[in-house]
Amino acid sequence: AQSVTQPDIHITVSEGASLELRCNYSYGATPYLFWYVQSPGQGLQLLLKYFSGDTLVQGIKGFEAEFKRSQSSFNLRKPSVHWSDAAEYFCAVSPYNNNDMRFGAGTRLTVKP
Amino acid sequence: NAGVTQTPKFQVLKTGQSMTLQCAQDMNHEYMSWYRQDPGMGLRLIHYSVGAGITDQGEVPNGYNVSRSTTEDFPLRLLSAAPSQTSVYFCASSYSGRGPRTEAFFGQGTRLTVV
Repeated sequence: AQSVTQPDIHITVSEGASLELRCNYSYGATPYLFWYVQSPGQGLQLLLKYFSGDTLVQGIKGFEAEFKRSQSSFNLRKPSVHWSDAAEYFCAVSPYNNNDMRFGAGTRLTVKP
Repeated sequence: NAGVTQTPKFQVLKTGQSMTLQCAQDMNHEYMSWYRQDPGMGLRLIHYSVGAGITDQGEVPNGYNVSRSTTEDFPLRLLSAAPSQTSVYFCASSYSGRGPRTEAFFGQGTRLTVV
């Protein structure tokens, strides 16, 4: 069955520390991959996306993600977290041949001062 | 550009009442969709549309109806609200082609409580 898994429900990091949020997917062919961020009470904002080409993708707000086909993973990273990064992060997957988008359960990020 | 606009932002319904959540986009996107967001479950697709006059079911369509009479508007109807429909609802739109422009734009959400 097609699925998107974010193994970490909640992560706490100190401000200035590095961050990695995990995402694994199960699809028959390499899908399009996305990371979205949601601040409290807000809608979802696209951080970055992968559809083909270079497997290391740069996004907004200093985030990057790496697509690893062998591991069916698309992990999100940031070298130095800021307090304003506290939010919920969603990995999403869209099959290569249609617009359906399926989301992981989300990872809530808390940033300690 | 307003992007994707959802109304209302908040709504409280009694069990059995009906209502329509409105969604409008001004980006001329062919593809529109409705999601519900529940704690620990991410966003789940309710219904989607690939263009005016065409709609289809997503993962969790029961209890919801949609129609798409224009490119801009994609309302979601709850015919007889149930407490299980208490959730935050998001409308999204996107370009229907595949490639670099593929990206879903989301509204700000409607928080619905059914009592």
